[in-house]
Amino acid sequence: EPEVTQTPSHQVTQMGQEVILRCVPISNHLYFYWYRQILGQKVEFLVSFYNNEISEKSEIFDDQFSVERPDGSNFTLKIRSTKLEDSAMYFCASSESGLGNEKLFFGSGTQLSVL
Amino acid sequence: RKEVEQDPGPFNVPEGATVAFNCTYSNSASQSFFWYRQDCRKEPKLLMSVYSSGNEDGRFTAQLNRASQYISLLIRDSKLSDSATYLCVVRGGGGSYIPTFGRGTSLIVHP
Repeated sequence: EPEVTQTPSHQVTQMGQEVILRCVPISNHLYFYWYRQILGQKVEFLVSFYNNEISEKSEIFDDQFSVERPDGSNFTLKIRSTKLEDSAMYFCASSESGLGNEKLFFGSGTQLSVL
Repeated sequence: RKEVEQDPGPFNVPEGATVAFNCTYSNSASQSFFWYRQDCRKEPKLLMSVYSSGNEDGRFTAQLNRASQYISLLIRDSKLSDSATYLCVVRGGGGSYIPTFGRGTSLIVHP
């Protein structure tokens, strides 16, 4: 089965530093998503991306966050100035289309630890 | 009111038991419903979609009650390997198709 790949699997950073989390969605998928999961809490939606622009974003996705598709394969999430509360597992996901009864394929996640 | 609510559990059951989880959602315009499974510190993986008429996949049965806005998952003949967190996911309504996750229900199957 095709899969979404994420790198790195673990990222440790100092508070205030910038981090970039990387994702390679499944090649024929058109919609991309970032979710996060703080330890012990639910999976929370951050942002969705379609046709090279943000289609939806949550309240969590403030000015510290940005997404980009720099080339035909990568999809990145940048956190400009990390805070302690940004520590979480970040999941990238993709789907063929954004509608209907359709499955999301998740990557294995990047565990971000902000010290 | 939380969008998708689940009893966090844990549900602790012996092998072979039947166990049921419920999930309620607040947006009556929601259109698509799913159960995902999440193992500890791993990504969510689709277990099954939930259809209006109810559907079954082996030992797993999902039901949808739109009038009461709840979804259920029944697991028969529980296996040790069923131990995981089961996430209720709701999609659509109000112009958004973003999948919204419940907090999950933890299941522990013991010998």
